[in-house]
Amino acid sequence: AQKITQTQPGMFVQEKEAVTLDCTYDTSDQSYGLFWYKQPSSGEMIFLIYQGSYDQQNATEGRYSLNFQKARKSANLVISASQLGDSTLYFCAMLDSNYQLIWGAGTKLIIKP
Amino acid sequence: EPEVTQTPSHQVTQMGQEVILRCVPISNHLYFYWYRQILGQKVEFLVSFYNNEISEKSEIFDDQFSVERPDGSNFTLKIRSTKLEDSAMYFCASSHRGLGQPQHFGDGTRLSIL
Repeated sequence: AQKITQTQPGMFVQEKEAVTLDCTYDTSDQSYGLFWYKQPSSGEMIFLIYQGSYDQQNATEGRYSLNFQKARKSANLVISASQLGDSTLYFCAMLDSNYQLIWGAGTKLIIKP
Repeated sequence: EPEVTQTPSHQVTQMGQEVILRCVPISNHLYFYWYRQILGQKVEFLVSFYNNEISEKSEIFDDQFSVERPDGSNFTLKIRSTKLEDSAMYFCASSHRGLGQPQHFGDGTRLSIL
C-alpha cells in the first residue's frame, strides 16, 4: 500500500541552522511525485517544492531543497539558514499513479532564536 | 498570482443538515480535488475530478458526499445529512495536469457540526 512516513513529530532547531525534515515513502508505482507543503496555524496548505520520480537532479526552490534518494525511498526536505518564520507544520506528500496525494502525519518545526 | 478560493472560511451546521462547500479552482487547471483534515490528524484524500466526472474517490467518500462542477468555474462538495464526525477542515485543490504538477490548495473551509 502507498504510504508516507514522517518520523519526526516535532523538531527544535536554532535560528540560522540548516534543517532536515525526514520523509520516507512506500510505493510500487514507477512514476510518482513527491511534494512538501507547510501549514501555518491559520490552516491553509502552502506548496513548497516538488520532485518527480524520474528527475535526475534534486529539486531546489530558494532556501528549500529536496534530498531525493530513490533507492532508499526517501525525500527529505532541507531548509537552509532557518528563520523564525519557518516555525510551522510541514507535510510530505506523494502523488500516486491515480493522481491522489497521500500525506504524511506532519512534522512541527520550531525555530529557536 | 492566481489562487484557489474557498467559501465559506468557516461553516457551522446542525447535525443532519446538508452543507455545500464551494471552491473556485485556478482557471486553467483541469484536475480538481477535495481533501479533509480532522483536527490534529493527517490530511485525507476524498475525491478527484477531471473532465466533468469523478476520477478517483476514497473510502471516506461514500454516498453522503457528492461533487459537482455546476458552471465551469465552481467546484462544490456537498455533504448530505452531516454527522458530528464530519467536523474537519476541508481543502479544495486544483492542478494543471495530474501527475507531475503541484496541487494548489485553497485556504480551506472549517466545518463544525453541532
